[in-house]
Amino acid sequence: SAVISQKPSRDICQRGTSLTIQCQVDSQVTMMFWYRQQPGQSLTLIATANQGSEATYESGFVIDKFPISRPNLTFSTLTVSNMSPEDSSIYLCSVPSGPGAGNYGYTFGSGTRLTVV
Amino acid sequence: KQEVTQIPAALSVPEGENLVLNCSFTDSAIYNLQWFRQDPGKGLTSLLLIQSSQREQTSGRLNASLDKSSGRSTLYIAASQPGDSATYLCAVKDDYKLSFGAGTTVTVRA
Repeated sequence: SAVISQKPSRDICQRGTSLTIQCQVDSQVTMMFWYRQQPGQSLTLIATANQGSEATYESGFVIDKFPISRPNLTFSTLTVSNMSPEDSSIYLCSVPSGPGAGNYGYTFGSGTRLTVV
Repeated sequence: KQEVTQIPAALSVPEGENLVLNCSFTDSAIYNLQWFRQDPGKGLTSLLLIQSSQREQTSGRLNASLDKSSGRSTLYIAASQPGDSATYLCAVKDDYKLSFGAGTTVTVRA
């Protein structure tokens, strides 16, 4: 399975500012996924990031709030913009555990714990 | 829309007892089901992956079963240890993405 390095592991930010979260994968992957886990809740998919194309956002998430970059097949960033306390969550990136279109599981990064004050 | 439910939401057991965690899903047209462990404030660690054509998977003290037609999976953890204390999440894959349950938080008392 791929190994993901996610940074930062945690941060405390002022409302109105932005934070960029990075995920580096040790192998090339076509699709990368970004999730949000609000306190006491399960994971919700924010968007799917494909290299060379615009990210695909799920209902309720917009590019202006969560811009995503995918400059190559091993790296992606998620920015949480104009933050409010409601953005306090754990953010996680994920990639398929195998190549191609097989029915693989998924590997997750270690998460970024964001607190907005 | 796929909905995944995990019961119970929380579980506290003495060390050595076997754990039984339940997961149900509403749409049986899944590719696979994955069980994860999450420690507080951390990311997810994959425990077991069961393909839709399989009935169960085993890894050490962990055994997961899948009844796709009835939309159920069960994770068994034998001889629980304090180190098993964590939140356990199940996730089903349909199309390209995962749908998660809310998790079962397990506490194993020494």
